[in-house]
Amino acid sequence: DAGVTQSPTHLIKTRGQQVTLRCSPKSGHDTVSWYQQALGQGPQFIFQYYEEEERQRGNFPDRFSGHQYPNYSSELNVNALLLGDSALYLCASSLNPTTGQETQYFGPGTRLLVL
Amino acid sequence: QKEVEQNSGPLSVPEGAIASLNCTYSDRVSQSFFWYRQYSGKSPELIMSIYSNGDKEDGRFTAQLNKASQYVSLLIRDSQPSDSATYLCAVNANYGQNFVFGPGTRLSVLP
Repeated sequence: DAGVTQSPTHLIKTRGQQVTLRCSPKSGHDTVSWYQQALGQGPQFIFQYYEEEERQRGNFPDRFSGHQYPNYSSELNVNALLLGDSALYLCASSLNPTTGQETQYFGPGTRLLVL
Repeated sequence: QKEVEQNSGPLSVPEGAIASLNCTYSDRVSQSFFWYRQYSGKSPELIMSIYSNGDKEDGRFTAQLNKASQYVSLLIRDSQPSDSATYLCAVNANYGQNFVFGPGTRLSVLP
């Protein structure tokens, strides 16, 4: 049973560039959430995708956008990169939240460094 | 603003001792609670979930929930050096549409 996968594992970009991160959810899961984790902090919610729609968004600017494909895989795009965007980007998959007890399972993350 | 608070640590315990990790949350309507373990440079992995008041045991781990006090804890019995990691408390907000994480508590188990 394949778990959550993410690519790439590491990425180095310069300020002002754009980046695309990819995620494939765990088999049987249809919901993908993205988190940003700065060094020494807990993950911060960016947004969640279900049925190819952004369902909820955290306190992140419009430079952060996403997409979900019919096979449930997802992309996170960040435009006009800032130094402060350097972080570990985590994708989490789950079943569609209906009861509030659905667990989110994390991928290995993509470590982004902006120079 | 929904908040989850944890002592950042480090919490140091000797091998074989009980480690006690605590978490408080601000959103009174939160319904489900999760503990994740994160080793340095790795992603969070689920340890336990708890939804009802009381204790829930899984091997050496026990989660405790008190919704009236808005408090959830994780006890690790017979702590091992391999338990040394950062422990993240996560609270379900808005019926699972996003998790709110605490800053994590760094645990160090000394041989």
